Amino acid sequence: DGGITQSPKYLFRKEGQNVTLSCEQNLNHDAMYWYRQDPGQGLRLIYYSQIVNDFQKGDIAEGYSVSREKKESFPLTVTSAQKNPTAFYLCASTAVWGGRGTQYFGPGTRLTVL
Amino acid sequence: QKEVEQNSGPLSVPEGAIASLNCTYSDRGSQSFFWYRQYSGKSPELIMSIYSNGDKEDGRFTAQLNKASQYVSLLIRDSQPSDSATYLCAVNPQVDDKIIFGKGTRLHILP
Repeated sequence: DGGITQSPKYLFRKEGQNVTLSCEQNLNHDAMYWYRQDPGQGLRLIYYSQIVNDFQKGDIAEGYSVSREKKESFPLTVTSAQKNPTAFYLCASTAVWGGRGTQYFGPGTRLTVL
Repeated sequence: QKEVEQNSGPLSVPEGAIASLNCTYSDRGSQSFFWYRQYSGKSPELIMSIYSNGDKEDGRFTAQLNKASQYVSLLIRDSQPSDSATYLCAVNPQVDDKIIFGKGTRLHILP
């Protein structure tokens, strides 16, 4: 089955810790994205990658970092510099950047700071 | 600032009736338009995409696009309790740009 997987489903972080959220896709998509969603709020773009070995900051990149060393993988690190990281994190991908590309989402990771 | 606006709701609709969800966008050059459904605690799933003016039907769902008025809507016929969810409107402003999401409309189908 083709799709996007995210792990873990739930993640608990102590203050001051860095944590990494995994996102893997086997759709052969070029572009990948990370969003954050807070309760009752819309999606806010953290980082995006148009192609392997390239990525760009989104609207709320502070306190986050990413890498795109492989086409199928786009991990997100939530650093201790992110002051309010408790949220639902969604990874998405599109076949190509821009155009009519439909964006597909993974199941999400719910991060809670203890 | 490119924006996508939706009424947050909740929109309450009796079971079996037509639910009408609306969305406006600011960038007149927008190319692609999408409706996603998101159940509580789950990720968004694509319902419809539309690229040209007019209506596009898929089962009980109809997407309507009016580029002159910068307006896109989603109609759900014969509404079912399982349609209760948040519906996100998404717009791709230009060929080489990022998809912008509205904050969503909460739909509640009354049994």
